[in-house]
Amino acid sequence: NAGVTQTPKFRILKIGQSMTLQCTQDMNHNYMYWYRQDPGMGLKLIYYSVGAGITDKGEVPNGYNVSRSTTEDFPLRLELAAPSQTSVYFCASRSTGESGKLFFGSGTQLSVL
Amino acid sequence: KQEVTQIPAALSVPEGENLVLNCSFTDSAIYNLQWFRQDPGKGLTSLLLIQSSQREQTSGRLNASLDKSSGRSTLYIAASQPGDSATYLCAVRVYNAGNMLTFGGGTRLMVKP
Repeated sequence: NAGVTQTPKFRILKIGQSMTLQCTQDMNHNYMYWYRQDPGMGLKLIYYSVGAGITDKGEVPNGYNVSRSTTEDFPLRLELAAPSQTSVYFCASRSTGESGKLFFGSGTQLSVL
Repeated sequence: KQEVTQIPAALSVPEGENLVLNCSFTDSAIYNLQWFRQDPGKGLTSLLLIQSSQREQTSGRLNASLDKSSGRSTLYIAASQPGDSATYLCAVRVYNAGNMLTFGGGTRLMVKP
């Protein structure tokens, strides 16, 4: 099992550009999450999904969009990149149930200049 | 709103020392609490997960305890090693639509040889 795979690992964007961060998992997990982590801070939830076709906002959704057309994939889209979106982005997934541990991808480091 | 706090933010100890990392949360209505390890430039790796009905979990030199009534958890690391140097984050899973995790800001640990 590859677990949770994120691409790209690094990206530099200019203000106003758009991009999609890819996330895929091969563990058949229903729950998937996108977090951002700013330097020296904990993780903030951007969006989450409880299954294919179902998504909802987290704590900091402004400036982002998501879709969940399959169980495996949960892409995060930035439409008009802003310097405030410079951060490290993590995708995570877990199985249904009370004991489900959270599994993380290795992250995407994004800089908006 | 659930808030999670980790103190201290940074800790430096000599090799071989036993140490305790602290995590506190404001709302005791949680499913479970997880401790994660994050190495520089990497994603998060789950270390221990404690269900709300449990008091502690152990894995090797790590022991995590949970006191829901007081809103506290501790991660005990026995006989610390330089390889334990990393950032340790705790996260509580709350009762809501997405069973989201709320993260603390982390404790950055350095174990000196």
